[in-house]
Amino acid sequence: DTAVSQTPKYLVTQMGNDKSIKCEQNLGHDTMYWYKQDSKKFLKIMFSYNNKELIINETVPNRFSPKSPDKAHLNLHINSLELGDSAVYFCASSQDPMGTANEQYFGPGTRLTVT
Amino acid sequence: AQKITQTQPGMFVQEKEAVTLDCTYDTSDQSYGLFWYKQPSSGEMIFLIYQGSYDEQNATEGRYSLNFQKARKSANLVISASQLGDSAMYFCAMRDAIFNKFYFGSGTKLNVKP
Repeated sequence: DTAVSQTPKYLVTQMGNDKSIKCEQNLGHDTMYWYKQDSKKFLKIMFSYNNKELIINETVPNRFSPKSPDKAHLNLHINSLELGDSAVYFCASSQDPMGTANEQYFGPGTRLTVT
Repeated sequence: AQKITQTQPGMFVQEKEAVTLDCTYDTSDQSYGLFWYKQPSSGEMIFLIYQGSYDEQNATEGRYSLNFQKARKSANLVISASQLGDSAMYFCAMRDAIFNKFYFGSGTKLNVKP
């Protein structure tokens, strides 16, 4: 059973398009995250949701809009895609948001290429 | 401000030898968690080991151990008896208990030579 799944795994699109990435976790975790990993492998948090509520919103262009329909799902919608949006986007989840002990479980990543 | 520093962009180790990957962190919090993740060339992120700031003993998980030196704010990963499959990127991360954020280092690319 896949703990954290993302679709699609690969996404190739043209500048200016709008696209969505979906994420689902079946671990019963309360907190879900979106990360962006750039070409230099640097991982940067974008958003975090706890029980469908946005709790972390880093400095991300407002073309990026997360949406959590329930605590098992966190989707990422990107409007007006730009070349600089090309990256691997990881979804992750964790339990116990106010503690430190629980690790994040990552999805397989979505490689977005904007041409 | 970056809170996790990994100063070794790339390292080589001979198969079956031990290797230490460095990680230092910066926080004024008393409660935090430290993690190591492995990212093979296939891209997935694999959790390896966790150390809590109040844990007095160093964490161990199989061939992985975390050398935690709180006063120096370092959390080095030690891999014993390296295997070819250990070749990957390794990320150190810190979890902030107050804001529940994970901060990741820039990673160390480990190559295990046969």
